[in-house]
Amino acid sequence: AQSVAQPEDQVNVAEGNPLTVKCTYSVSGNPYLFWYVQYPNRGLQFLLKYITGDNLVKGSYGFEAEFNKSQTSFHLKKPSALVSDSALYFCAVPRMDSSYKLIFGSGTRLLVRP
Amino acid sequence: NAGVTQTPKFRILKIGQSMTLQCTQDMNHNYMYWYRQDPGMGLKLIYYSVGAGITDKGEVPNGYNVSRSTTEDFPLRLELAAPSQTSVYFCASSPPHATGADQPQHFGDGTRLSIL
Repeated sequence: AQSVAQPEDQVNVAEGNPLTVKCTYSVSGNPYLFWYVQYPNRGLQFLLKYITGDNLVKGSYGFEAEFNKSQTSFHLKKPSALVSDSALYFCAVPRMDSSYKLIFGSGTRLLVRP
Repeated sequence: NAGVTQTPKFRILKIGQSMTLQCTQDMNHNYMYWYRQDPGMGLKLIYYSVGAGITDKGEVPNGYNVSRSTTEDFPLRLELAAPSQTSVYFCASSPPHATGADQPQHFGDGTRLSIL
C-alpha cells in the first residue's frame, strides 16, 4: 500500500539558515509525490510535485525538494528560511487504487525564529 | 478567481443537531473531496466525487452524507452531530486525471466545527 511518513512533528530553524523538512515514502511503481503548505487558519496550498525526470524539483516561494529513489525520500528544502515560512507542511502520495485520491503524511510544523 | 469557497467558517453545534457544510468551486473541476483534519493526524478523506451525480465513500464516511447535483457544489451533511465529529473540515477540488495522478488539489479555507 502507498504511504508517506514525516518523522518530525516540528522543525525549528533560525531565519536565514537553510531548512529541511523530511518525508519518506513507500509506493509501488514510479511515485508521484507532492508537498503542500498550510498557513494558520487557511487551507492547504500546493507547493511542488515530483512526477519524473530531474530529481531536484523547484516550487513556489523558493522551496525545492529532492527526490532520492535509493533512500525513498522526498525532502523539502529551502536555502534561506524566512519567518513567514512558519507553517504546517504535508507531503502526499496518490493512492494506488484511485490515483486522484491522496494519502497525506501527519504533517511537520516549521517554526522559523527571527 | 475565488477558487474553492467554504461556508460557514466556524460553527458550534449541540449533540444530535444536524447541519450542512457548503462547498463551491468556480474552476470547473470534475473532482471534489471532503477531508477532516484532526490535530497530529493529517487529513482523512470523508467522501469524494468524480463528477455531478457521482459520489463515493472515503476512509471515514460514517456519520456524514454528501450530494453532487452540479459541478460547482459539493455539500457535506452531518445528520446527528457527535463530539467525535469536532474537527476542521476541508473541501478540495482537482481537474480530471486524464494524464494520471499529477494534478494538485485546490483547497478551501476550512470550516471549524465544534460539537458540544
